[in-house]
Amino acid sequence: EAQVTQNPRYLITVTGKKLTVTCSQNMNHEYMSWYRQDPGLGLRQIYYSMNVEVTDKGDVPEGYKVSRKEKRNFPLILESPSPNQTSLYFCASSPSGSYNSPLHFGNGTRLTVT
Amino acid sequence: DAKTTQPPSMDCAEGRAANLPCNHSTISGNEYVYWYRQIHSQGPQYIIHGLKNNETNEMASLIITEDRKSSTLILPHATLRDTAVYYCIVRVYNTDKLIFGTGTRLQVFP
Repeated sequence: EAQVTQNPRYLITVTGKKLTVTCSQNMNHEYMSWYRQDPGLGLRQIYYSMNVEVTDKGDVPEGYKVSRKEKRNFPLILESPSPNQTSLYFCASSPSGSYNSPLHFGNGTRLTVT
Repeated sequence: DAKTTQPPSMDCAEGRAANLPCNHSTISGNEYVYWYRQIHSQGPQYIIHGLKNNETNEMASLIITEDRKSSTLILPHATLRDTAVYYCIVRVYNTDKLIFGTGTRLQVFP
């Protein structure tokens, strides 16, 4: 089944403890991105990647890192999480970053930082 | 970016067609209209997209007015599982991201 898989689904951590949220897609998509969703603010893009080894900042990149060493994987790294990064995170992929190319989302990771 | 306006909520009886409107009066000629939905806190699900012609797939139909200032998403036979927040998004030419608004909360009732 074609899908975007995120892990873990739920994560509770403490301030400053490094964590990684994994994202993998099995559709051979060139493009991948990360969003966060917060009440009243909607979904906002954190980082995106047009292809392997090519990443760029979205609208809210502060406090996050990403890497794209393989086409299928696009992990989101929080080096020193803070409570304001408590949010619902979504990974997405599409065949290309073109505006005519639908994004397909994973099922989300709910992160709580205390 | 072209903004969209959607009603905050709508109801629909199960088995009936759900018609969800969207206004995008500032849309440019090369901007696509996308529809997504989100059930509870699951990942947004792609439904359909179009430029100027009407589109249909296994999930829904998209009707875009001739002047492209508005569109309607049609779920032909709504089921309880179609209860969700529906987002109408105008995607800007040469941009990779989607900008989600507040959407329409569709409630399908028995």
